[in-house]
Amino acid sequence: EAGVVQSPRYKIIEKKQPVAFWCNPISGHNTLYWYRQNLGQGPELLIRYENEEAVDDSQLPKDRFSAERLKGVDSTLKIQPAELGDSAVYLCASSSTWGIQYFGAGTRLSVL
Amino acid sequence: AQTVTQSQPEMSVQEAETVTLSCTYDTSENNYYLFWYKQPPSRQMILVIRQEAYKQQNATENRFSVNFQKAAKSFSLKISDSQLGDTAMYFCAFMTGSGNTGKLIFGQGTTLQVKP
Repeated sequence: EAGVVQSPRYKIIEKKQPVAFWCNPISGHNTLYWYRQNLGQGPELLIRYENEEAVDDSQLPKDRFSAERLKGVDSTLKIQPAELGDSAVYLCASSSTWGIQYFGAGTRLSVL
Repeated sequence: AQTVTQSQPEMSVQEAETVTLSCTYDTSENNYYLFWYKQPPSRQMILVIRQEAYKQQNATENRFSVNFQKAAKSFSLKISDSQLGDTAMYFCAFMTGSGNTGKLIFGQGTTLQVKP
């Protein structure tokens, strides 16, 4: 069974440029999460989806970050415009109803 | 608000020996879940072990076991017979028990190096 798939693995952009990350969860998992992991720290939740609905986006910086999960399957996280402080690893995870979260390999973003 | 604290930024252990990683947490809830995740250099977070707060018995998974002390809000991970492949960053995480799809709250992590 395929795990959580994320792309790209790495992204280098200049500040003020837009960037997007893509995530395909494990088949059948209705809950999808985006986390941000700063260097040397644990991940922090940005947004959680139940099917197509964003049920917890309290930590998402809405002035520059947006996310969507059309059709309740794969998801895209976008930053526009990117700032230097956005450099981090962006992790996607998915879970079924019983809550064990499975993570993708993440996208490492470097903003120059 | 719930918090998770890992007080050991780095640890090392000789291959085949035993090591214990510490974790404390703070919550006012009675029903919750605790996890240890492993993150190797490949960056993918891998679930090591999970503990339900309502269970008194400590969880075990092969060489990995936990010491769950609910009253003390402590949740340590013991790795027995350490192997080189155990080298990674280890994160302790908390999840509320209300609904089974809540967010994970992670500690700062402990970098473990297993030496040959």
